[in-house]
Amino acid sequence: GQNIDQPTEMTATEGAIVQINCTYQTSGFNGLFWYQQHAGEAPTFLSYNVLDGLEEKGRFSSFLSRSKGYSYLLLKELQMKDSASYLCAGLDSNYQLIWGAGTKLIIKP
Amino acid sequence: ETGVTQTPRHLVMGMTNKKSLKCEQHLGHNAMYWYKQSAKKPLELMFVYSLEERVENNSVPSRFSPECPNSSHLFLHLHTLQPEDSALYLCASSRGTEAAGYTFGSGTRLTVV
Repeated sequence: GQNIDQPTEMTATEGAIVQINCTYQTSGFNGLFWYQQHAGEAPTFLSYNVLDGLEEKGRFSSFLSRSKGYSYLLLKELQMKDSASYLCAGLDSNYQLIWGAGTKLIIKP
Repeated sequence: ETGVTQTPRHLVMGMTNKKSLKCEQHLGHNAMYWYKQSAKKPLELMFVYSLEERVENNSVPSRFSPECPNSSHLFLHLHTLQPEDSALYLCASSRGTEAAGYTFGSGTRLTVV
């Protein structure tokens, strides 16, 4: 079966760095997405990785290892506004998104 | 505002009621989706429409009935729901069903009492 695993909740301190991990098992693979969702709001696109390696975009970076079925989202210089849920989703061979349950990130002062 | 607008934002309905959720996008996308989001669970794809035709129905109970009158509008008609149907219902759109660059709406928070 297809599955996406990510931690349910994480806590970090303002100004620090946090890494949110995601492991995936999909039928075929056409890339991995990260979305951010603030409470009561729409999920918004953060990143898409299809090749191995690290993609940096400002304070946020996303990493992919296809051989390990593994990705992480790295958030640097954390701000209070980064408190949100982070959704990992894999794109299978039919180009259908397989979603994780999301990681709720709590930022403390 | 993401470009995908959902109304209402919140809805409380009894199990015998009939209500409809509305989704509207003017992004020029030709695929639209309904998702159910329950606490601590992955997003569940309910329906997919491409060019106004339903292309996928993931075994959703018949008490949920979608309608796509044109490429900009999508409805979800609800009747005789159960308390376990309480969830956040998200609409999304994309340029094509194979390209997963979704734009999501903010959702309708549905409570069935």
